Amino acid sequence: DAMVIQNPRYQVTQFGKPVTLSCSQTLNHNVMYWYQQKSSQAPKLLFHYYDKDFNNEADTPDNFQSRRPNTSFCFLDIRSPGLGDAAMYLCATSRGPPEGTQYFGPGTRLTVL
Amino acid sequence: LAKTTQPISMDSYEGQEVNITCSHNNIATNDYITWYQQFPSQGPRFIIQGYKTKVTNEVASLFIPADRKSSTLSLPRVSLSDTAVYYCLVEGGATNKLIFGTGTLLAVQP
Repeated sequence: DAMVIQNPRYQVTQFGKPVTLSCSQTLNHNVMYWYQQKSSQAPKLLFHYYDKDFNNEADTPDNFQSRRPNTSFCFLDIRSPGLGDAAMYLCATSRGPPEGTQYFGPGTRLTVL
Repeated sequence: LAKTTQPISMDSYEGQEVNITCSHNNIATNDYITWYQQFPSQGPRFIIQGYKTKVTNEVASLFIPADRKSSTLSLPRVSLSDTAVYYCLVEGGATNKLIFGTGTLLAVQP
């Protein structure tokens, strides 16, 4: 089945140790998004790629970076995780305008020790 | 981007119809209204989308008045498994960015 896959589902890292989260899609969608969701809060958009064009949200910390080497894969790099970066990280895809429906992966829960 | 306002929480019982209303006073002409459902420790799941009037699918109905400044998600005969957070969003334009509001926690009791 076509879907959005996130690996790993659970990630533990140490304070300050770089970590990379992975997202892949079999939907062949143009747009890929990364959201951060902290406990009992709504998802917050970090950035998105429209094809190869990277779009960063104004309030996304520099500590967060992203790469999209091809249509299918997108990575979230956290260069120096702090305790406040512990959260669920959600990847989503969409075809892009005018079809805007986003399809979410199951998320990766990041723990920072 | 248009902001949305919806109740923080709602309670219901199995078998009842549940209506969750969302206001989006600043919706733009090319924005669509979309509802997502999220269970704990899972990603949000698309429920329904509409532009105006009424949309119905196998899961829910969406009612949108002519001025489009609000919308109502209707869930017929809810069950315990419908307990979740429901998000109302407006999306559109060149990027289809989603800005999530607080969502409504629907608690369905037996």
